Amino acid sequence: GESVGLHLPTLSVQEGDNSIINCAYSNSASDYFIWYKQESGKGPQFIIDIRSNMDKRQGQRVTVLLNKTVKHLSLQIAATQPGDSAVYFCAEGPGSGEAGTALIFGKGTTLSVSS
Amino acid sequence: DADVTQTPRNRITKTGKRIMLECSQTKGHDRMYWYRQDPGLGLRLIYYSFDVKDINKGEISDGYSVSRQAQAKFSLSLESAIPNQTALYFCATSDLPRQGYNEQFFGPGTRLTVL
Repeated sequence: GESVGLHLPTLSVQEGDNSIINCAYSNSASDYFIWYKQESGKGPQFIIDIRSNMDKRQGQRVTVLLNKTVKHLSLQIAATQPGDSAVYFCAEGPGSGEAGTALIFGKGTTLSVSS
Repeated sequence: DADVTQTPRNRITKTGKRIMLECSQTKGHDRMYWYRQDPGLGLRLIYYSFDVKDINKGEISDGYSVSRQAQAKFSLSLESAIPNQTALYFCATSDLPRQGYNEQFFGPGTRLTVL
């Protein structure tokens, strides 16, 4: 079946480094992808999203890259800060249409930032 | 997200008890979702509703039921709780997808323990 997964369950970086969190997806029909950040004791919070007709989208200190050829999604965090420590989830799903399923989430990568 | 609230935030119950988790939103969204989160498994969809008259099963609906009482309210019930339903439960909402974007907004979660 289709699944969304992350390459590494944990990632440890030093404050100030750039972080790259990876995600592989298998449903080539998905046309919308999203990254969420979940801090301890809280619900997932939106970081950035991207449509399948794009290969890059930038936000504040974050960039999402989409490679549809190899079904790969990545989240880049520039100048990582201790406050970025959290679990990061990628998700895929339909970007339009009334019917269809909801988002499918990956298992998450725990980012630990040391100062 | 303060626009999506869940009650209770924590609940401990015994095997065989009926439990209801409630979700309310003030975002005016038509679409609401219930997810379950277990360590190492990410978020899994239990049920979702695209409007008041629409209820759909998700990936893991067995042992659960839902009720969409109004646009703003979506409750999840465990008719006879069992220990493997111990998990963190999240409610989410989304608007109709627009221009290919389909972001979901999450509540703070309910931690349920079944003894």
